[in-house]
Amino acid sequence: DIQMTQSPSSLSASVGDRVTITCRASQSISSYLNWYQQKPGKAPKLLIYAASSLQSGVPSRFSGSGSGTDFTLTISSLQPEDFATYYCQQSYSTPPTFGPGTKVDIK
Amino acid sequence: QVQLVESGGGVVQPGGSLRLSCAASGFTFSSYGMHWVRQAPGKGLEWVAFIRYDGSNKYYADSVKGRFTISRDNSKNTLYLQMNSLRAEDTAVYYCAKDARLWFGELLLDYWGQGTLVTVSS
Repeated sequence: DIQMTQSPSSLSASVGDRVTITCRASQSISSYLNWYQQKPGKAPKLLIYAASSLQSGVPSRFSGSGSGTDFTLTISSLQPEDFATYYCQQSYSTPPTFGPGTKVDIK
Repeated sequence: QVQLVESGGGVVQPGGSLRLSCAASGFTFSSYGMHWVRQAPGKGLEWVAFIRYDGSNKYYADSVKGRFTISRDNSKNTLYLQMNSLRAEDTAVYYCAKDARLWFGELLLDYWGQGTLVTVSS
């Protein structure tokens, strides 16, 4: 199975900050990397697919980049509604695997 | 709009069984693969199982293989997860999720239900 890691595991930031979360795969997954946002008590929501494609309805302050084994999710200007946990997920092979998550909270 | 509504969760003793359901609406259910994903309390996301649009192929996480069975009834727009020989470590919120790609799926989960809690405890 492909192992996914994320860093940092948590971060504190202020509204308006630029936030970057990193995801690494244990082997090359091309661009088969997706990002989800989960708020407490809610289901995950797809933000970015295929490493850099924005899901319909997702604000443009979210962006993704990377290929191979190293990927990044960037929030250009953090908004109050963005405080949540973010998960990366590889869709290169079965079983699809998720990173452990990065919790973004208020500084 | 796409709606996925899970049901069937509850408290069950170790070794017991439970069947989860997921009622789908707002899309052509019979054209898309479907997934189950779980989340233990305070933990991350763990993929559980996937079924192709017509039920012809099914895939499972090693942690549930041989104990859980995913199935679907396209005439009822409903996805199921039969869980047998339940263990304490199966305690989690179980989400059903729609695959983004028509027919065979691409392991991309574009819509999720609200989840149903399964607690395995004596």
